[in-house]
Formats: sequence, structure tokens, C-alpha cells
Amino acid sequence: EAGVVQSPRYKIIEKKQPVAFWCNPISGHNTLYWYLQNLGQGPELLIRYENEEAVDDSQLPKDRFSAERLKGVDSTLKIQPAELGDSAVYLCASSSRTGEHNEQFFGPGTRLTVL
Amino acid sequence: QKEVEQDPGPLSVPEGAIVSLNCTYSNSAFQYFMWYRQYSRKGPELLMYTYSSGNKEDGRFTAQVDKSSKYISLFIRDSQPSDSATYLCAMTNNAGKSTFGDGTTLTVKP
Repeated sequence: EAGVVQSPRYKIIEKKQPVAFWCNPISGHNTLYWYLQNLGQGPELLIRYENEEAVDDSQLPKDRFSAERLKGVDSTLKIQPAELGDSAVYLCASSSRTGEHNEQFFGPGTRLTVL
Repeated sequence: QKEVEQDPGPLSVPEGAIVSLNCTYSNSAFQYFMWYRQYSRKGPELLMYTYSSGNKEDGRFTAQVDKSSKYISLFIRDSQPSDSATYLCAMTNNAGKSTFGDGTTLTVKP
């Protein structure tokens, strides 16, 4: 079974430029998460989808961040414009159910560097 | 104050040692308690999860939860160099939202 796929693995951009990250969850997983992980810290939830519906986006900085999950499968996270403080690892995870113990399977992450 | 506080480490132990990793939490709404392992430049992977207070054992790993003290622990027996990684505790409320600790980096020296 293929795991969670993320691309690109690494991205270097200049500040004020746009950037997009893509995630393909494990087949059949209805729940998809985007996390931000700063160096030396744990993942912090940005947005959680149940199928194509964003059920928790309270931590997503909506002035510059946006996300979509068309058809309830793949998802894209976008930042426009990027700021220096956005440099971090962006993790995508998926799970088969929520509201109870839900093992989240993580992708390898996209490491973003904003210059 | 963060909802989940994790002993920061780093920890360095000799091979074969017993390792204790610990987290405290403040939110009584947390229902599920998990430990993830994260190797460098990889995503976290689930090691163990528990629901109730008490101990849960899986091979060399034991997860312990004390809900009355809001304290969880992960014990690793007979630690191996391959156990060298960052260990993250995580807790999930009944709405499915997970909150992670900041991780403890463990190095097991051969």
C-alpha cells in the first residue's frame, strides 16, 4: 500500500512569492490534515478535511494561506505571498476516520525555505 | 502555557539502557494518547496509542497514562541505536483534533 505522497520535497523561494504544496493521501482515507512543523517543535494543525469539507481551519492564516481538496482526494496548500517566517516543514497526513482513535499516516513533508 | 508539555531533552543513552519519555497535559478533554517516532527528514509514524489510564505494552515499548495526574510516559527497554529518533507525544480530543508535544530527541550510542 502506498503511503501519503507529498511534492515537492523541498522548495526555496524568495519572500513575497507564491508557493503551492500537493498531497495525495492513502487510498480510501477520508480525513486529510495539513500540519506545519517548525524546527524543534511538534506538528501544528493548519486545516483538517473530512472528504472535501474543511471541518477545522481555525489555525489557518487565511490572509495568506489557502487550501483545497477537490473531489475529496488530493489536496493543495497555497501560500501567497510567502513571508520569511513561513520557512518550515509542511506535513500532510491522512486517516480513515475521525472522532475517535484515528491513526494518522504522515507524508515525508515539504521543506520550505523563504529567502 | 501549552496544552501539551514534553520533556525537551535531548537524551543520550548507551545501548541497552531503559529510556523514559514524558509528557504532561492540561486539557481534560483529551481522550486518546499517542506516541509517534520521527526520524530525521521523515514524517512522524505512530508507535503506540492508549485510551485509558494504565499501561500498554508492545515489545520493548510500554506506554503509560495517568489521567488523574495528566501525565503520560513511554518506556523503551533494551534501547537500540535504531531507536535514535525524535519522539512526539500527541493527544486527541473527542472531536478528532490532535495536539502534539514538541518532541524529545533520543540518541542511543552503540
